[in-house]
Amino acid sequence: SAVISQKPSRDICQRGTSLTIQCQVDSQVTMMFWYRQQPGQSLTLIATANQGSEATYESGFVIDKFPISRPNLTFSTLTVSNMSPEDSSIYLCSDSSGGITDTQYFGPGTRLTVL
Amino acid sequence: SQKIEQNSEALNIQEGKTATLTCNYTNYSPAYLQWYRQDPGRGPVFLLLIRENEKEKRKERLKVTFDTTLKQSLFHITASQPADSATYLCALAVDSSASKIIFGSGTRLSIRP
Repeated sequence: SAVISQKPSRDICQRGTSLTIQCQVDSQVTMMFWYRQQPGQSLTLIATANQGSEATYESGFVIDKFPISRPNLTFSTLTVSNMSPEDSSIYLCSDSSGGITDTQYFGPGTRLTVL
Repeated sequence: SQKIEQNSEALNIQEGKTATLTCNYTNYSPAYLQWYRQDPGRGPVFLLLIRENEKEKRKERLKVTFDTTLKQSLFHITASQPADSATYLCALAVDSSASKIIFGSGTRLSIRP
């Protein structure tokens, strides 16, 4: 399995600002995904990061709020734009060698607090 | 509406006993079901995958069952240890060509010495 790192591990941000989270995998992977995990809640898929093309967003998530980049097979970023306290959450990236139904390996997460 | 539920938010058992966690779903026909472990401040770690045509899967002290008639999966940890204390998540792949996994909210398991 690939080893996944995320930066930053945590941040405290002011309302109205934006934060970009980086996800680095130590080997080339087919699929990368971004999830949100709100306190005491399950993981919710935000989008699938597609290499070389626009991300595929799930219902309730839009590109203007959560722009995603995936310039190559080992790296992706998620930006949380124009933040509000409701965006306070843990953001996780994951990868899979197969499709999303295959086993996924998760990064350690980025804990975001918006004041 | 489609739902996946893990019946216990928290489970507290004595070391050495078998822990049994439940995952129920409605309005899905999952091709796969997975169980993950999540420790505080960390991302989920994959444990086991069971397919719709499999009734049971084992890995060391772990056992997973999958009953598509009852729409339920049971996750067992035998001879439980304090180190098994964590949150356990079940996750469904809706069908063989599905584009997403749905996670349950998790059960926080505590094993007391």
